Amino acid sequence: EAGVAQSPRYKIIEKRQSVAFWCNPISGHATLYWYQQILGQGPKLLIQFQNNGVVDDSQLPKDRFSAERLKGVDSTLKIQPAKLEDSAVYLCASSLSGAGANEAFFGQGTRLTVV
Amino acid sequence: GQSLEQPSEVTAVEGAIVQINCTYQTSGFYGLSWYQQHDGGAPTFLSYNALDGLEETGRFSSFLSRSDSYGYLLLQELQMKDSASYFCAVEGGGFKTIFGAGTRLFVKA
Repeated sequence: EAGVAQSPRYKIIEKRQSVAFWCNPISGHATLYWYQQILGQGPKLLIQFQNNGVVDDSQLPKDRFSAERLKGVDSTLKIQPAKLEDSAVYLCASSLSGAGANEAFFGQGTRLTVV
Repeated sequence: GQSLEQPSEVTAVEGAIVQINCTYQTSGFYGLSWYQQHDGGAPTFLSYNALDGLEETGRFSSFLSRSDSYGYLLLQELQMKDSASYFCAVEGGGFKTIFGAGTRLFVKA
């Protein structure tokens, strides 16, 4: 079974530039998550989709971050404009369902450096 | 709101047993998960507890007490490769999964 695919793996941009990350979840997984992980910290949930609807985006800085899940499959996360504090690993995960004992499978992440 | 607390670091010797605790506060609760993350890697799922009690999976066990809002991960027969960060994660209201800050486990020879 193919895992969660993310691209790019690494990205370096200057502050105030924009950047987009892409995620392809495991086939059939209804729930998709975007997490931000700053070095030395746990993953912080940015947004959770159930199919193509948003379940939670309470911690998404909506003035600069946006995310969409096209047709309930692939997802993109965009930052515009980027700030220095956005430097982190952005992890995409998917699970069969948001409820119960369904484990979340994580992609390898995109390491973003804002300079 | 939701919050989780776990120790920042634990050190143990190879072959020993170590317990990593997690206490949580959440509005709504469905279950507690544990994930392992090696440096530079992605978190990988270890276990999930929805009901009180102990779940055993090989060398790893996980325990939950819903009344105490508390759980732990027990690692037995520690190996060097177990050196990693371990995160507890709560599935709370809205089926939102929130992670703790992580416990860094150092296994010494």
